[in-house]
Amino acid sequence: QSVLTQPPSVSGAPGQRVTISCVGSSSNIGAGYDVHWFQQLPGTAPKLLIYPSKKRPSGVPDRFSDSKSGTSASLAITGLQADDEADYYCQSYDNSLSAWVFGGGTKVTVL
Amino acid sequence: QVQLVQSGAEMKKPGASVKISCKTSGYNFISHYIHWVRQAPGQGLEWMGMITFVGETPGHAQKFQDRFTMTTDTSTGTVYMQLRGLRYDDTAVYYCARGPSFDFWGQGTLVTVSA
Repeated sequence: QSVLTQPPSVSGAPGQRVTISCVGSSSNIGAGYDVHWFQQLPGTAPKLLIYPSKKRPSGVPDRFSDSKSGTSASLAITGLQADDEADYYCQSYDNSLSAWVFGGGTKVTVL
Repeated sequence: QVQLVQSGAEMKKPGASVKISCKTSGYNFISHYIHWVRQAPGQGLEWMGMITFVGETPGHAQKFQDRFTMTTDTSTGTVYMQLRGLRYDDTAVYYCARGPSFDFWGQGTLVTVSA
């Protein structure tokens, strides 16, 4: 049971927009801590998609965007492409656990 | 360019210890802390702990408190993690990642615990 809750899977057709939710609580996202989003392709290390400052690391297209409201956050992927098929994880800091915590991950499938 | 290069795969017996290195390069390592994250086969990501190069008290997940140690070598910009009392469910890929935003990751080190 992850501290941050993500849907196990989302899917969409090429070109569509999909969103991944990340539900936390008042001790993590709701406390104002930054939320990070990562993409993980099979057999590779996770890759940061967006800095808390909203800047994107080199090579990450602006099709990826994030938002936060209250105790939840979300990642949106617009113009879905085949190479967006991957696992996506949200992450934040939890002050009741004094630990960084991850969501359980969401598998994105391009139909 | 920023790089984190980890040591190679390890196979250990239950009860043994494992020590993994993470060598940083391409940036001022003093100004960033390093996280350790692990991923069991087919599972999600799990934060283990973090350490700085400037002697600040490291932080680690309560789950690993008694058997997890992180150290640094400022002469080489290398971070080490050691996990003691290995159990079968410690089989995982272990990653180091640069803080605060986990923006650069090592390639991962597979640790297999098997009798």
